[in-house]
Amino acid sequence: DSGVTQTPKHLITATGQRVTLRCSPRSGDLSVYWYQQSLDQGLQFLIQYYNGEERAKGNILERFSAQQFPDLHSELNLSSLELGDSALYFCASSSGQGGAQAFFGQGTRLTVV
Amino acid sequence: AQSVTQLGSHVSVSEGALVLLRCNYSSSVPPYLFWYVQYPNQGLQLLLKYTTGATLVKGINGFEAEFKKSETSFHLTKPSAHMSDAAEYFCAVRGTSGTYKYIFGTGTRLKVLA
Repeated sequence: DSGVTQTPKHLITATGQRVTLRCSPRSGDLSVYWYQQSLDQGLQFLIQYYNGEERAKGNILERFSAQQFPDLHSELNLSSLELGDSALYFCASSSGQGGAQAFFGQGTRLTVV
Repeated sequence: AQSVTQLGSHVSVSEGALVLLRCNYSSSVPPYLFWYVQYPNQGLQLLLKYTTGATLVKGINGFEAEFKKSETSFHLTKPSAHMSDAAEYFCAVRGTSGTYKYIFGTGTRLKVLA
């Protein structure tokens, strides 16, 4: 158990809908990262937050947004969903701005139908 | 910009044979380097990491990796493969200044043959 909790584990939704994925980092970790894992694109970095502030941005679509709350949990919002958004979404956390390693949650499997 | 290249998306070895998974990185600053393993339907688990100091790093499950700055490589090895090693392996790089995001390679799926 990495200590990073992601909910829900599975999500099935229709095209055009909006969903919210939730991540609770390890106790004491200030950085949260979001990744998208799909068969054709591998593990893509989406965005990083550190202590509530956006720290780094990757290949995140404009339809996607994220935030980190004062209690350090984070949410990834995906809107106007398309079939191609079906993927495994991982959250990771680390201490400090980068930390000595990133700890990964079990992921949320999103299926868009 | 930092990047990681993993050579070979699929590697097959016989049980008991040497495992060698290749990783090359690109970074303008001395990086932190990592190997993670992913079992089916699970998250990524850290195998080992290089931050500073000794360039030969030992990890869990008998794996080790050597940081070679001159070759910009961080290959993962294990002397004797076990059936339970079958999984997907990811090499990652993290910068040590500026941005601290973790960038992953495309992964190598290891198959162990009986």
